[in-house]
Amino acid sequence: AQSVAQPEDQVNVAEGNPLTVKCTYSVSGNPYLFWYVQYPNRGLQFLLKYITGDNLVKGSYGFEAEFNKSQTSFHLKKPSALVSDSALYFCAVRAPSGTYKYIFGTGTRLKVLA
Amino acid sequence: EAQVTQNPRYLITVTGKKLTVTCSQNMNHEYMSWYRQDPGLGLRQIYYSMNVEVTDKGDVPEGYKVSRKEKRNFPLILESPSPNQTSLYFCASLPIGPGANVLTFGAGSRLTVL
Repeated sequence: AQSVAQPEDQVNVAEGNPLTVKCTYSVSGNPYLFWYVQYPNRGLQFLLKYITGDNLVKGSYGFEAEFNKSQTSFHLKKPSALVSDSALYFCAVRAPSGTYKYIFGTGTRLKVLA
Repeated sequence: EAQVTQNPRYLITVTGKKLTVTCSQNMNHEYMSWYRQDPGLGLRQIYYSMNVEVTDKGDVPEGYKVSRKEKRNFPLILESPSPNQTSLYFCASLPIGPGANVLTFGAGSRLTVL
């Protein structure tokens, strides 16, 4: 069965420091992997995805993520955090088998401190 | 503007009083889906639809109904709401086809059942 784990409920980081939000997954075959961000009173917004190719993918707002097949991870990173990055982040996985089943993690709240 | 529109955004109701949350998309997407978001549980799929008149259960369909009479609309119906359906609900859509894999979300509907 497909699953996604976000082991940290909350991540605190000082403004200007690098940030990492962790995600590990379990899916058969080569997965499609996604990161979404949710700001207060807003829907989920797409940040970036990994489908195939280069393991390091770049997305919106300076975020990037690294796909690591051996560790089944897809951690979200940013070199220098901004206070405005404070939000709820969701990792999601989809098996590329032709279904459109997306499995979401439980979310990680990122708090960037000024 | 390409978007998914949900209404109402906020609703307080009482146990047993039927309600409908509407979802409409203007992108001609075939696939539409409803999720509920609960703290510590992430997003869980309620129902989805691959096209007009084609709907199927997600992971937590109990207590909900859906219909897909038109391509653009996918309402979520709670025939007899109960307090355990208090949640934040999201509608999402996606085109079906090669390379299509990013869900577009509505802004969310926060439902409280007393």
